[in-house]
Amino acid sequence: DVKVTQSSRYLVKRTGEKVFLECVQDMDHENMFWYRQDPGLGLRLIYFSYDVKMKEKGDIPEGYSVSREKKERFSLILESASTNQTSMYLCASSLDYGQGRQETQYFGPGTRLLVL
Amino acid sequence: GQQLNQSPQSMFIQEGEDVSMNCTSSSIFNTWLWYKQDPGEGPVLLIALYKAGELTSNGRLTAQFGITRKDSFLNISASIPSDVGIYFCAGQLVAGGSNYKLTFGKGTLLTVNP
Repeated sequence: DVKVTQSSRYLVKRTGEKVFLECVQDMDHENMFWYRQDPGLGLRLIYFSYDVKMKEKGDIPEGYSVSREKKERFSLILESASTNQTSMYLCASSLDYGQGRQETQYFGPGTRLLVL
Repeated sequence: GQQLNQSPQSMFIQEGEDVSMNCTSSSIFNTWLWYKQDPGEGPVLLIALYKAGELTSNGRLTAQFGITRKDSFLNISASIPSDVGIYFCAGQLVAGGSNYKLTFGKGTLLTVNP
């Protein structure tokens, strides 16, 4: 079974704090993704990575950065948290078949972040 | 960019009823996925479709990849209370080079009255 785990289920931070969200997958997947989910807006892609040390911007990268130092771990960083970053953050991973073809994405349980 | 319209936005049904929801796209996809999300959890894959016209079942769930490659539907037969949740469609287009992004619909919230 594919397992994607996220470091925290719930997180409360203050405006201006640096926030790290960690995601780990145990299936040797090449691709990893960070989404945020907000009511009425669905899932929006923040960043993704198709290899160690590689990253690409998704649809809403502003205010976020990522780090992929090891294949199994993909970190999302909020350099200076703001209240509009209060959201549910979902990590996903997928197996890469090459030439942009990926197996389906498997999601972690999510981290609900509240920025005060 | 690509957009997915998922409908209906929400459904309130009686236990035992059948359910149908669909997604339409402004452009073609070559993969359609259906996910379910329980409250407070991440989405879980239900069905994956890789070929136009493909009809796939998973228990009481049936999904089809539309012939035009711009739409897909999901049916749930004989609904039960644990079917409650948000159902998402997602599409992917691979057209040479790298394209790892999924485009998601906004979800259908299903409520089942016992």
